[in-house]
Amino acid sequence: GENVEQHPSTLSVQEGDSAVIKCTYSDSASNYFPWYKQELGKRPQLIIDIRSNVGEKKDQRIAVTLNKTAKHFSLHITETQPEDSAVYFCAASPSGGSYIPTFGRGTSLIVHP
Amino acid sequence: DTGVSQNPRHKITKRGQNVTFRCDPISEHNRLYWYRQTLGQGPEFLTYFQNEAQLEKSRLLSDRFSAERPKGSFSTLEIQRTEQGDSAMYLCASGSQVRYNEQFFGPGTRLTVL
Repeated sequence: GENVEQHPSTLSVQEGDSAVIKCTYSDSASNYFPWYKQELGKRPQLIIDIRSNVGEKKDQRIAVTLNKTAKHFSLHITETQPEDSAVYFCAASPSGGSYIPTFGRGTSLIVHP
Repeated sequence: DTGVSQNPRHKITKRGQNVTFRCDPISEHNRLYWYRQTLGQGPEFLTYFQNEAQLEKSRLLSDRFSAERPKGSFSTLEIQRTEQGDSAMYLCASGSQVRYNEQFFGPGTRLTVL
């Protein structure tokens, strides 16, 4: 089955800095890669996703890059703000069947004001 | 709120008791997923429904766990003879046939087994 590794487990930055979270996956059949933000005690919320026919996708301060050859994808947050503090999960999902994603273990991002 | 809802939000039970959780997906979504999340981990897949059919079950889902989606709308997850190791957040997510892959999570039910 799919195995998703996520690093780092904790990331501490100053407000205004950039943050990068990296994930690798093992199953070449995966072709959908969502990122979720989960604030303490709240539900995971989809913040951005990328499909394997695209190498990069941007949405305001958030961007995701995908390297299918190397089987890794990354989340980039620029100009971080204290409200970006949360746990971020990456996931990898196949294109067909039940689309069941495998999640990484999460990165706790702390943005210091 | 037209998002995914789950009830109850919190459940405390004694070991050996049975518990049942409910998930109401977004109304037009035909896909429904149950996950379990423990502290410091990402959601772990438990089971998947497409309409009323249960199409996938994880090896994590022991025979004490059962899930149903009788009319293809809401779903229930029952845990029989609860154990302390069942303590976790149980998340439900739904997705549509059109926007495949995308899943929208509910707020979860936090289960504590004493």
